[in-house]
Amino acid sequence: QKEVEQNSGPLSVPEGAIASLNCTYSDRGSQSFFWYRQYSGKSPELIMFIYSNGDKEDGRFTAQLNKASQYVSLLIRDSQPSDSATYLCAVTRGNRDDKIIFGKGTRLHILP
Amino acid sequence: DTGVSQNPRHKITKRGQNVTFRCDPISEHNRLYWYRQTLGQGPEFLTYFQNEAQLEKSRLLSDRFSAERPKGSFSTLEIQRTEQGDSAMYLCASSLNLAGKEYFGPGTRLTVT
Repeated sequence: QKEVEQNSGPLSVPEGAIASLNCTYSDRGSQSFFWYRQYSGKSPELIMFIYSNGDKEDGRFTAQLNKASQYVSLLIRDSQPSDSATYLCAVTRGNRDDKIIFGKGTRLHILP
Repeated sequence: DTGVSQNPRHKITKRGQNVTFRCDPISEHNRLYWYRQTLGQGPEFLTYFQNEAQLEKSRLLSDRFSAERPKGSFSTLEIQRTEQGDSAMYLCASSLNLAGKEYFGPGTRLTVT
């Protein structure tokens, strides 16, 4: 079982709709969870992080965490063409905060 | 520009040659990470430093790879006797104390012919 799993996509969403990106992780001790956005040919950029169960909202982005299910998701409301990118889920390993493990990423395509 | 910088941005080398990449982190950041990324994959952890100390090196990294961070400032990643399988984007990231809240540099794309 891979440490961090994401559906590679592509996920196609109409402009203005809600994009839902999902991630599961294997280490039950993981404490911190991150979403990075990576445009084609560019480096990753941190857009959201979450530490506690529940929802965390920042503008059009909402991160959701369920530690019991080992599941973290990212919702993007009112999707824009500029949201088209690869979204990388990353989690800290165990109860340590010294490094993160990335998933393969989900390619999101917003249809104009 | 106060972000993370990497040099060179592109490197083409012949198999068997040595290459060295440089990363200059955000000045107040004490942690520096090196990752490798290939097409369709997420960044793969290679090694990290806290200040000048190299605290972990991935088991996936062969003895041909070495990294340094003298004086806890910039870092270099050297690959000796390059192989075609080393072709990838090499990313550097820095953070203040915590993993995860990392700022990435633009990367160095290595092509081994």
